[in-house]
Amino acid sequence: DTEVTQTPKHLVMGMTNKKSLKCEQHMGHRAMYWYKQKAKKPPELMFVYSYEKLSINESVPSRFSPECPNSSLLNLHLHALQPEDSALYLCASSLTTGDSYEQYFGPGTRLTVT
Amino acid sequence: QQQVKQSPQSLIVQKGGISIINCAYENTAFDYFPWYQQFPGKGPALLIAIRPDVSEKKEGRFTISFNKSAKQFSLHIMDSQPGDSATYFCAASWSSNYQLIWGAGTKLIIKP
Repeated sequence: DTEVTQTPKHLVMGMTNKKSLKCEQHMGHRAMYWYKQKAKKPPELMFVYSYEKLSINESVPSRFSPECPNSSLLNLHLHALQPEDSALYLCASSLTTGDSYEQYFGPGTRLTVT
Repeated sequence: QQQVKQSPQSLIVQKGGISIINCAYENTAFDYFPWYQQFPGKGPALLIAIRPDVSEKKEGRFTISFNKSAKQFSLHIMDSQPGDSATYFCAASWSSNYQLIWGAGTKLIIKP
């Protein structure tokens, strides 16, 4: 199974809402990533988890809060977002962070902030 | 020096033709060069990748050509099909590093 799943597929939220994005993989990968992708742009790295510990935070605003409850699950908690945060949020995983060149991506969550 | 420059931004090719996308880099520490394919509404998927000790790698209709001295690599899609229409990203990474350095992407359209 080489699949990374993400839920929900689409999310519309107001600026005062709190919501969460969920990502799951069962490939035994120990590195998991959150990316943000704007239209016609490459993915932009937000967070990296290695062995369930946050190892990289690419200066992401605190209104985005990641969580890794176990080695298969990755969440992204959203609070007080801005309209400019509307984007495709992608989760990815790789065997380890040293294998980042071979990442498996989920289909993404299309987020719209109104 | 961390950049990967990708061209063209968009490309239209007739069915059956050869699609060519080019990338260039500066950082000689890069040692892995993957290409990702992304369809609308989907996440990127690893298509093919190469290490700098090899000048060419072929998988089916997809070939990466690598020129270490010029610090350039390219993706060739032979016998291009409408199903190949997607956005293609080149990227670069180096050993034991968490980062992928992405090119800007090329939107490829294959006309029937």
